[in-house]
Amino acid sequence: GENVEQHPSTLSVQEGDSAVIKCTYSDSASNYFPWYKQELGKGPQLIIDIRSNVGEKKDQRIAVTLNKTAKHFSLHITETQPEDSAVYFCAASRGGKLTFGQGTILTVHP
Amino acid sequence: DAGITQSPRYKITETGRQVTLMCHQTWSHSYMFWYRQDLGHGLRLIYYSAAADITDKGEVPDGYVVSRSKTENFPLTLESATRSQTSVYFCASSLQGLLTGELFFGEGSRLTVL
Repeated sequence: GENVEQHPSTLSVQEGDSAVIKCTYSDSASNYFPWYKQELGKGPQLIIDIRSNVGEKKDQRIAVTLNKTAKHFSLHITETQPEDSAVYFCAASRGGKLTFGQGTILTVHP
Repeated sequence: DAGITQSPRYKITETGRQVTLMCHQTWSHSYMFWYRQDLGHGLRLIYYSAAADITDKGEVPDGYVVSRSKTENFPLTLESATRSQTSVYFCASSLQGLLTGELFFGEGSRLTVL
């Protein structure tokens, strides 16, 4: 089955800096790659997603890039703010099954 | 707009007891899911349902039972709880399913098995 590896497991940045979280997947047939943000005590929420026919997608301060050849995709957050502090999960979907990465705890220091 | 609600939010039980976690959604989404969240493992799919009376196994179904007699409810039962089932459980729903659809998660049920 699909295997999704996510790095780093923890990331600490200063407010205003950029943050990058990377994921690799194993199944070349995967075609949908969402990113979820989980705040403390809450369930995960979708923040951005990308499909395999697109290389990059941007939504204000967040962007996702996909390299199908290398089977990796990344989340980029620019101008980080304290409210960006959360756990971020990447995921890959193939044939109706969504496999999540292990999660990254992002801490943004004021 | 109640969305998706889980109950109980916190539960402590003993090994061997039966536990049921409830999940209710108000959007009439066809698809519903149960995930467990454990440190170092992310979110792992236990069971999912594409519609009422249709359920299927996910990645880690052993020790769990689900049912879906009504579209809005998707209870998860641990028939004989074990310590390894100590976890945070999330219910989710989706209009389009896992293929390309956004999952809407509940706030989670934290289960401790002593």
